[in-house]
Amino acid sequence: DAKTTQPTSMDCAEGRAANLPCNHSTISGNEYVYWYRQIHSQGPQYIIHGLKNNETNEMASLIITEDRKSSTLILPHATLRDTAVYYCIVRSPFRGGKLIFGQGTELSVKP
Amino acid sequence: NAGVMQNPRHLVRRRGQEARLRCSPMKGHSHVYWYRQLPEEGLKFMVYLQKENIIDESGMPKERFSAEFPKEGPSILRIQQVVRGDSAAYFCASSPGEGGHGYTFGSGTRLTVV
Repeated sequence: DAKTTQPTSMDCAEGRAANLPCNHSTISGNEYVYWYRQIHSQGPQYIIHGLKNNETNEMASLIITEDRKSSTLILPHATLRDTAVYYCIVRSPFRGGKLIFGQGTELSVKP
Repeated sequence: NAGVMQNPRHLVRRRGQEARLRCSPMKGHSHVYWYRQLPEEGLKFMVYLQKENIIDESGMPKERFSAEFPKEGPSILRIQQVVRGDSAAYFCASSPGEGGHGYTFGSGTRLTVV
């Protein structure tokens, strides 16, 4: 699975959009980008995934660059409950097996 | 639909005792993954199991740790002769099959060794 690079921490004002970047320059053609988050020692929670098109669901939007070497997770209106560690993971769903978590980005949403 | 169920939520063991952590996957999921999270650290993969088979145990410590996923019943992570360094949160995830997008995590078991 390709390696990802994320900033260690970020702050965001409540009600504003939170934009979390992820670099994955070695991503291969059949690898997807997945985002999970972990809220204060709870189990990781799936947010969204994508291959090359931008994706949106009720939680977030995922913007993937045309060359697929980086992506951005967007929480459109961050709330205090979005304070968590956000993990960007690149893997192929066709191969199966484990998810490998990096250090993630610790997002602090402030009032 | 029940999610991934882990029990107990909290477990306290004295040094030298055995710890048994249970994980019931989501209905229809036949693949289970165990992760460990030491205090102030990230999630580390331990073992990946299908029913009655260990597929990948590359993250398991060589001694004292074992895992099983029997044909009937939950997956069990067993830690023998626990030491203080085993104190951590242990998370289980399940997926419906080989590959795919659908990994779901449980709420974890917090093991404290005293």
